Amino acid sequence: KNEVEQSPQNLTAQEGEFITINCSYSVGISALHWLQQHPGGGIVSLFMLSSGKKKHGRLIATINIQEKHSSLHITASHPRDSAVYICAVRSYNTDKLIFGTGTRLQVFP
Amino acid sequence: NAGVTQTPKFQVLKTGQSMTLQCAQDMNHEYMSWYRQDPGMGLRLIHYSVGAGITDQGEVPNGYNVSRSTTEDFPLRLLSAAPSQTSVYFCASSQTEYTEAFFGQGTRLTVV
Repeated sequence: KNEVEQSPQNLTAQEGEFITINCSYSVGISALHWLQQHPGGGIVSLFMLSSGKKKHGRLIATINIQEKHSSLHITASHPRDSAVYICAVRSYNTDKLIFGTGTRLQVFP
Repeated sequence: NAGVTQTPKFQVLKTGQSMTLQCAQDMNHEYMSWYRQDPGMGLRLIHYSVGAGITDQGEVPNGYNVSRSTTEDFPLRLLSAAPSQTSVYFCASSQTEYTEAFFGQGTRLTVV
């Protein structure tokens, strides 16, 4: 079993829909990252959080340390949100990042 | 503001050839790292550096060498390419190991 599991693996949505991507992990962590990988391949950091909730524009990230779970929400989704979203956790023991395999999101007009 | 610049973007190598993937950052970041991304797997750490003159191995270092002679540059060398090294490679930098990472555009390497 992977230490970082994302669900769903693939997600399609109509423009305007509310999107939720989930990340569960099995190790103790000091921080969790959400990354966006564009169709062209580049990776951009969206959030880094260790507790609570962060918001940037239409994106919201939450984390529940006790349940070892994080969610990334996209409100009023748009075709330009189409990308692969990657969850990564920093292991408390090794200090290294462990990456999930990503969730591929396609938003259609 | 260039950020993290990786070259080349695409490369095809024959088995046994050597090459260097270049990575440069202009943000004066101390921490730099190389990852590989394979289908169905998360990014895996190859090598990393916490500052000029200091490098260390990550999760999958075999077949790769790195050096960090300056803060700006962190090249990744493939000594003798193998088909198993076919992958997409990403360089990343951050102020420290614990802060936001900035990624390069990636290098798609095919070894035939």
